[in-house]
Amino acid sequence: GAGVSQSPSNKVTEKGKDVELRCDPISGHTALYWYRQSLGQGLEFLIYFQGNSAPDKSGLPSDRFSAERTGGSVSTLTIQRTQQEDSAVYLCASSPDPQETQYFGPGTRLLVL
Amino acid sequence: AQSVSQHNHHVILSEAASLELGCNYSYGGTVNLFWYVQYPGQHLQLLLKYFSGDPLVKGIKGFEAEFIKSKFSFNLRKPSVQWSDTAEYFCAVNSVNAGNMLTFGGGTRLMVKP
Repeated sequence: GAGVSQSPSNKVTEKGKDVELRCDPISGHTALYWYRQSLGQGLEFLIYFQGNSAPDKSGLPSDRFSAERTGGSVSTLTIQRTQQEDSAVYLCASSPDPQETQYFGPGTRLLVL
Repeated sequence: AQSVSQHNHHVILSEAASLELGCNYSYGGTVNLFWYVQYPGQHLQLLLKYFSGDPLVKGIKGFEAEFIKSKFSFNLRKPSVQWSDTAEYFCAVNSVNAGNMLTFGGGTRLMVKP
């Protein structure tokens, strides 16, 4: 079946602009996660959605980062007033249940000039 | 907070050599353990996982890992590597009591010379 999809695959933006990254999880998966992969920091957790519960935002690095998940499916990660240090690959993952295996999408490579 | 350490950042092997990649975690509660692999230009894929039961788990492509609770370790092994195993390998941990998010190690880049 279809895996996790993310769009765009690449995004180049100027410092100070806002960006939106999209994630389509595997159908039926109730848990959705955002991670960031960067050279200096490795793979870091950002935010976690489970069903209709309030998201766990404990990994968001600043208040410029936010995410929402509409209808329990598609999720959008928004970065406001982007900074050069936001340059990274943003990964989305989903799992059928919070304690089950997480399946990763291909990521969005963000470059902030 | 939980953390994961991978001792080898870069490993270079010749084909048919044996592989062992170290992974240690720090967390006192019940954990689930994973090894993910990222082949060049591809996304993260699950190699194997341990939730409970037999501490020796077998994954895809001939990989296996052993969970040693007393050592907080989950080392990855393969008896004979192939050139196609060239990739970056990530150990990861999650726990219900510390949220369900994965905590990743820093990764190990493996290069297999033909």
